[in-house]
Amino acid sequence: KAGVTQTPRYLIKTRGQQVTLSCSPISGHRSVSWYQQTPGQGLQFLFEYFSETQRNKGNFPGRFSGRQFSNSRSEMNVSTLELGDSALYLCASTISAGLNTEAFFGQGTRLTVV
Amino acid sequence: DQQVKQNSPSLSVQEGRISILNCDYTNSMFDYFLWYKKYPAEGPTFLISISSIKDKNEDGRFTVFLNKSAKHLSLHIVPSQPGDSAVYFCAASATNDYKLSFGAGTTVTVRA
Repeated sequence: KAGVTQTPRYLIKTRGQQVTLSCSPISGHRSVSWYQQTPGQGLQFLFEYFSETQRNKGNFPGRFSGRQFSNSRSEMNVSTLELGDSALYLCASTISAGLNTEAFFGQGTRLTVV
Repeated sequence: DQQVKQNSPSLSVQEGRISILNCDYTNSMFDYFLWYKKYPAEGPTFLISISSIKDKNEDGRFTVFLNKSAKHLSLHIVPSQPGDSAVYFCAASATNDYKLSFGAGTTVTVRA
């Protein structure tokens, strides 16, 4: 069974540009969430989607957005990139619709903004 | 506001001995707790979880203990092995909150 797949693995962008990251969840998983990991900040929650609906959003500026497609694949977009957006972006999928269960993570996309 | 705290940024333990990682939380609505292990340049890997209706859960070398009154949980790894050297994250969630709140992580180094 394939795990969570994130593309691309690495990305270098210039300040002011925008970027789109992609996540394919484990087959059968309908919930996809996104996290940002920066040194010293741990993993910070960005947003969560289930059946194409955003159910929760973290404390990030509106430049960060996401969406989910009918096949549960998800994308996140960051517009007007800033140097501080450099981070590892992680996607996680779960099978549940709200019941507590473990989330499985992809390998992440390492975004560097120069 | 950090609702999940791992106050020890690092832990060094000898191979074969016990590793004990601690985690505290402040949100009384949290009812599910997880531990993840992370190697550099990889995503976190799920290790073990515990529901708030239990106080202990065991899986092989890994045991998680939950003390709800103290809002504290711990992960015991026995015996510690060199492959256990990684960053360990404690995470918590509340029913229908649809997100995990993570601690800052503890770097474990297992010495031969």
